[in-house]
Amino acid sequence: EIVLTQSPGTLSLSPGERATLSCRASRSISSDYLAWYQQKPGQALRLLIFGTSNRATGIPDRFSGSGSGTDFTLTISGLEPEDFAVYYCQQYGRAPLYTFGQGTKLEIK
Amino acid sequence: QVTLKESGPALVAPTQTLTLTCVLSGFSLSTDGTRVSWIRQTPGKALEWLARIDWDDDKFYRPSLKTRLSISKDTSKNQVVLTMTNMDPEDTGSYFCARSQGSYDRASGYYINHYYFDHWGQGTLVTVSS
Repeated sequence: EIVLTQSPGTLSLSPGERATLSCRASRSISSDYLAWYQQKPGQALRLLIFGTSNRATGIPDRFSGSGSGTDFTLTISGLEPEDFAVYYCQQYGRAPLYTFGQGTKLEIK
Repeated sequence: QVTLKESGPALVAPTQTLTLTCVLSGFSLSTDGTRVSWIRQTPGKALEWLARIDWDDDKFYRPSLKTRLSISKDTSKNQVVLTMTNMDPEDTGSYFCARSQGSYDRASGYYINHYYFDHWGQGTLVTVSS
């Protein structure tokens, strides 16, 4: 099983700042297979990025993804108040088919 | 508009069987390439993929839970059902259904782009307690 480790666990920033969230895989994965989600309390998870760097429909361009191999990054440029949430990375593989990181909580400083 | 909505009991006794239903709207599980998964979120293990059923009735399970899980679909009702047997307090958490949509790649002959979940339900909270 591929394990995804996200860092930091909590990130405290102010609106307008840039957030950099990391996701490290226990072994190399295809860039096609890495996605990022946003979770807010009481809401459905929202797909932000798929295939490492492709924004999902309706996602603002302040969200961007990058990386390859075992190291992947979600960057949010110019934080808006609505961006403070928990973020998860996810990979597609085999046995189990999908695994998630443990999440990074982005909180207002 | 694509939506998924989970329903099921809020409270289940230990050793009992949990049955959850996911009602799909705005898309059909009979459409080629469509897949629906169940994912749970527990305090101890964050997000954990449990099972997936595909448009062609292929089924996949989390290996560590395979003996306890069963997933099925009712295309006429456009819904997906998950059962989990022998419930334990450690199974307490929120259970989500989510869609992944593959597209057929003529060059390879495979479905691609089904590697992520493009729509999620809001989840249903299940507590396992006597």
